[in-house]
Formats: sequence, structure tokens, C-alpha cells
Amino acid sequence: TQLLEQSPQFLSIQEGENLTVYCNSSSVFSSLQWYRQEPGEGPVLLVTVVTGGEVKKLKRLTFQFGDARKDSSLHITAAQPGDTGLYLCAGAEYQGGSEKLVFGKGMKLTVNP
Amino acid sequence: ETGVTQTPRHLVMGMTNKKSLKCEQHLGHNAMYWYKQSAKKPLELMFVYSLEERVENNSVPSRFSPECPNSSHLFLHLHTLQPEDSALYLCASSQGRGTGELFFGEGSRLTVL
Repeated sequence: TQLLEQSPQFLSIQEGENLTVYCNSSSVFSSLQWYRQEPGEGPVLLVTVVTGGEVKKLKRLTFQFGDARKDSSLHITAAQPGDTGLYLCAGAEYQGGSEKLVFGKGMKLTVNP
Repeated sequence: ETGVTQTPRHLVMGMTNKKSLKCEQHLGHNAMYWYKQSAKKPLELMFVYSLEERVENNSVPSRFSPECPNSSHLFLHLHTLQPEDSALYLCASSQGRGTGELFFGEGSRLTVL
């Protein structure tokens, strides 16, 4: 099973700053998801990207899938305290004839007012 | 209620106790999952049920025993656990297996003394 490497692992920024989170692997994924998990809660799906080079926007969040479908990035513009949480990427890959989901360790974001 | 609900939210048990975690999904999905979330580790898939049939068991110790009586309910029976089993246990559901689009519950925080 291939690993998904997320960087940075931790980030503490001030309100209003921009940031980018990266998710990298040597595997090709059929799709890739981004989740956000707030303290004491389960992960919540933010977006799914499927096509190489695809860009999706969700308000101040911009998600991009790499052309080779091996990596992805999440860019947050003008971060707000409500963006605080653990950001997880997950890639779906075929293994042994079935599709499996591989999670990264996550990036813990703290946005200070 | 909507979504995926888990009970209890917090559980403290001794190594000789027997307890169960419960998960219920109200989304009409046909696949359900148990994940283990430990600090500084990626989410670990434990079990997958599709149409009430267990389709995946990722080398989980026998002290964890899943049960899926119908497509809406999933249990994780716990007995003679070890302190290293302390973690957040997350239940998730999806419409069809193999999709990366999971809907998670809020988790059950387990502490084994």
C-alpha cells in the first residue's frame, strides 16, 4: 500500500493569511478526496477530484489534482479562525481487483484571530 | 436524525471488560466501515461491510469483533483490549463500495486502562 504524504504537518497562521497544503504519492489515484476534521468530530468531506489537472473551488478553498493524478494541493485564501482543523487527503486506488482508500496523516491548521 | 451517529462518544474500559460501539447511518448507504484514528498516524481501515456482508478485514486482532445486522447498523464488539487500543474509532458509510466519498460519524473516543 502506498502512502500519501501531506505537508506541512502543522501550520499556525494569523487570520487573513493565505496557505497551501500538499498531498503527494507515487501512486496513481482514480480519485482523491479532501476532508476537514474539527476537534471532537469526525472528518467531513470537502471535495472529490477525479480528472488530472482538475481545479475545484469551494468559497475560499481551491483544490487541484495533479496532471498525473498522483498529487493534489489545497489553497486557502484569507484564512479565518473557522478554518481551524485537521485537513486530510485520501486517494482511491485499485489494489487486488478492488478499490481501496489511502489516507494521509493530515495537516493540523490553526488560524489565530 | 440525519447522517451517521455513533454511541457512546466516550468510553473508558479496563483490559478485562467487554463493551460495544454502535453506529447507525440514516443516509440509505449500502457500505459501512470502521476506522481507527491514532495520533500521528493515518486513518487505519479496520473492517468494511457491503450489503451487510463483511468484505474486508485488515488484519485486525480478534479482540475486535464487528457485527452488521442490517445495512443501517454496525457494531464493534470489544473484549480484552490493550492500552495501545486507545484511540478514536470512526464509523463511516458510503453509497457503494470503492468510492472515496465517505460520510463519517463523530467517533467514539476509547480509553483502555
